[in-house]
Amino acid sequence: GAGVSQSPSNKVTEKGKDVELRCDPISGHTALYWYRQSLGQGLEFLIYFQGNSAPDKSGLPSDRFSAERTGGSVSTLTIQRTQQEDSAVYLCASSPSSGANVLTFGAGSRLTVL
Amino acid sequence: GESVGLHLPTLSVQEGDNSIINCAYSNSASDYFIWYKQESGKGPQFIIDIRSNMDKRQGQRVTVLLNKTVKHLSLQIAATQPGDSAVYFCAERGSGSARQLTFGSGTQLTVLP
Repeated sequence: GAGVSQSPSNKVTEKGKDVELRCDPISGHTALYWYRQSLGQGLEFLIYFQGNSAPDKSGLPSDRFSAERTGGSVSTLTIQRTQQEDSAVYLCASSPSSGANVLTFGAGSRLTVL
Repeated sequence: GESVGLHLPTLSVQEGDNSIINCAYSNSASDYFIWYKQESGKGPQFIIDIRSNMDKRQGQRVTVLLNKTVKHLSLQIAATQPGDSAVYFCAERGSGSARQLTFGSGTQLTVLP
């Protein structure tokens, strides 16, 4: 597609439920990133995928968070047993290669945990 | 860990004036420093970057200055326009195996008519 697509754009869930957030990167981009942005805050790195290499999971805040990238394209971020502090905008970005300064971001998925 | 921070959370300027957004960083080993712009409801968008061995880089209506002595980065926007109203983030990319960008907390720029 022309840009990075994320779905859903908004998700409201109850505490304790699991949620899945999807990211469709730009076709041909080998690097894919997930960031989290809490209200009025900067971007917090979560996880990074590059081609077939093992992902860099160093930013995942707890073992309730996981992500996968199938076929080197679409990625899903899963949050299990959601907590209120998980409420944030989850941003996905892609770039043509690793170590790029120019990341193309999607519009994000706003998660609200009640 | 290393962090990137900003001096001011908000900045208001008159349309047509120049804007200066500042950023302090602490990681001397960063390879690049980057500025992103985030409009309401959208993801951040790349503006300009500067390599750590440079002092200044100019783009279209924007200039980034890097002062490594005091670990300070600034973004200058000439003739600020209403469309420049957004949150501006500085970010840094570490050297070596670090492939992700580390972002600061952002400055909200408001352009007044």
